[in-house]
Amino acid sequence: KNEVEQSPQNLTAQEGEFITINCSYSVGISALHWLQQHPGGGIVSLFMLSSGKKKHGRLIATINIQEKHSSLHITASHPRDSAVYICAVHTGNQFYFGTGTSLTVIP
Amino acid sequence: NAGVMQNPRHLVRRRGQEARLRCSPMKGHSHVYWYRQLPEEGLKFMVYLQKENIIDESGMPKERFSAEFPKEGPSILRIQQVVRGDSAAYFCASSPQNGETQYFGPGTRLLVL
Repeated sequence: KNEVEQSPQNLTAQEGEFITINCSYSVGISALHWLQQHPGGGIVSLFMLSSGKKKHGRLIATINIQEKHSSLHITASHPRDSAVYICAVHTGNQFYFGTGTSLTVIP
Repeated sequence: NAGVMQNPRHLVRRRGQEARLRCSPMKGHSHVYWYRQLPEEGLKFMVYLQKENIIDESGMPKERFSAEFPKEGPSILRIQQVVRGDSAAYFCASSPQNGETQYFGPGTRLLVL
């Protein structure tokens, strides 16, 4: 069993829809990261969370430490949001990654 | 402030050759992480280094792979006697302190023929 599980694996949405990607983890963590990997392969760090909620533009990330669960929300989705979204947890020295959620936003 | 730089961006090697991948962290960052992404798979942690020290190499194969981050110059991931299974994208990331936001390089795509 993977230390980090994401759902869904694939997601297709119409432009403007509200999107939620979920991440559950089974290890003790010091922080959780959400990453975005574009079709060209480049990786961008979106959020680092250790508690509560963070917002950046149309992106919102929440974490519930007790339930070992995090969600990434995208409001008013746009085709340029199409990418793979990866949840990663930091346990001290190591990172464990989810397998990613492939998001396609259709105009 | 330039971002994390990796070179080469693409590297082709024949089985048995050596591959050297370089990573220059962002200015002011002394923590470097290497990750591997196999085709159709997720990212996997390989090694975490600070200047002149390997902090955690638990994700790195025991044989043929080594990493260094010298006092001067880039971090180097070295793969000796490459095999086809080493073909992957290798990403480097840096952070100012461990556990802080990591900034990723563009990756090196290694193809072993």
